[in-house]
Amino acid sequence: GIQVEQSPPDLILQEGANSTLRCNFSDSVNNLQWFHQNPWGQLINLFYIPSGTKQNGRLSATTVATERYSLLYISSSQTTDSGVYFCAVLTTDSWGKLQFGAGTQVVVTP
Amino acid sequence: KAGVTQTPRYLIKTRGQQVTLSCSPISGHRSVSWYQQTPGQGLQFLFEYFSETQRNKGNFPGRFSGRQFSNSRSEMNVSTLELGDSALYLCASSFEAKSHEQYFGPGTRLTVT
Repeated sequence: GIQVEQSPPDLILQEGANSTLRCNFSDSVNNLQWFHQNPWGQLINLFYIPSGTKQNGRLSATTVATERYSLLYISSSQTTDSGVYFCAVLTTDSWGKLQFGAGTQVVVTP
Repeated sequence: KAGVTQTPRYLIKTRGQQVTLSCSPISGHRSVSWYQQTPGQGLQFLFEYFSETQRNKGNFPGRFSGRQFSNSRSEMNVSTLELGDSALYLCASSFEAKSHEQYFGPGTRLTVT
């Protein structure tokens, strides 16, 4: 099956810093999503981005489908950005099965 | 529009018991997928339902089963609970399963003692 690798596994940032999270995947995908998991466990949708670039406030994402990677940018980080960020992909031959990466644990310190 | 809802939010069961979890999708969404999250295995796909039919299944034993009703609400059942079934169970809904964005509920945290 498809492999999804996220890097780095852990990231410690000072408030105000910028960062880039990476997601590599091993096959063609129909769908790529970025999520933020809050401390209570809920997955919050950040981006639905099978290709191209999107921005939402201090967050932006880029997916280069032909090279099989996606990047999530966090600018001017805040303590509320802390948590685990997941990348998940849906392959062309799969019904409803998102394949998740292992996540990047982000800690933003004041 | 109301989001995906899951009940109950927390559950404590004893080994050998069975449990049923419920998921109500976003209005208009017909695809429901279920996932298990554990510290050791991460987020793993259990199964997907669309129009009351299971179209995809992950690599879990037969103790894990599910169903979907005509109103798209879904339930999953775990029989003969084991300690290793302790996990956060998440369901997600989407308009259509092949490419559309999935939206997740808050999850049910199951503890097996």
